[in-house]
Amino acid sequence: QVQLQQWGAGLWQPSETLSLTCAVYGGSFSGYYWSWIRQPPGKGLEWIGEVNHRGSTNYNPSLKSRVTISVDMSKNQFSLRLNSVTAADTAVYFCARAVYNYGAGILHFDNWGQGTLVTVSS
Amino acid sequence: DIVMTQSPDSLAVSLGERATINCKSSQSVLYRSNNKNYLAWYQQKPGHPPKLLIYWASARDSGVPDRFSGSGSGTDFTLTISGLQAEDVAVYYCQQYYSTPKTFGQGTKVEIK
Repeated sequence: QVQLQQWGAGLWQPSETLSLTCAVYGGSFSGYYWSWIRQPPGKGLEWIGEVNHRGSTNYNPSLKSRVTISVDMSKNQFSLRLNSVTAADTAVYFCARAVYNYGAGILHFDNWGQGTLVTVSS
Repeated sequence: DIVMTQSPDSLAVSLGERATINCKSSQSVLYRSNNKNYLAWYQQKPGHPPKLLIYWASARDSGVPDRFSGSGSGTDFTLTISGLQAEDVAVYYCQQYYSTPKTFGQGTKVEIK
């Protein structure tokens, strides 16, 4: 059974570059897309972006100018960097696995990390 | 972006009764070439990540109880919990994966009456 374990600092100062990493255990790394999704306190879910094992990425246009998602195949890990953070970036950040089918495309999220609360405050 | 709108925002249902949650997309999420609706439903309990319940609008994920069912096509979808159990208290989200950016509904909170 695949497990996603994520980590990163919980407190960031405004204007810093937020960094989180997610490791994939117990399953194939290739053949899926690996996503970051966030949830402001008490609010809904926002998709940030995704990467596959080859490093091909897709980003939410609303965040694209500030986001980089990268992959380290040797460690079965993928990472999120979000620069110039503000209080509006305060949220629980989840990593998640998206099913991929060559004919049907990038599909639903079938496995999620435990979430990391990120607070942006001076 | 495809906007997903759920209704109601919250509902209270007696144990054993039916709960119905609606989700409407601002444009069709039915992909004509494979006749599949690119729509999923998730359940989120406090302090936990979302859990996949339904994909392709009506396919139940492995291990999901059969009291959860999904229906609908095009722009209008429904998640039904037939016979609400205490452990079903949660927030439920619909999500489209038809186009980027992937988008979620605002969530529907289900409580026990």
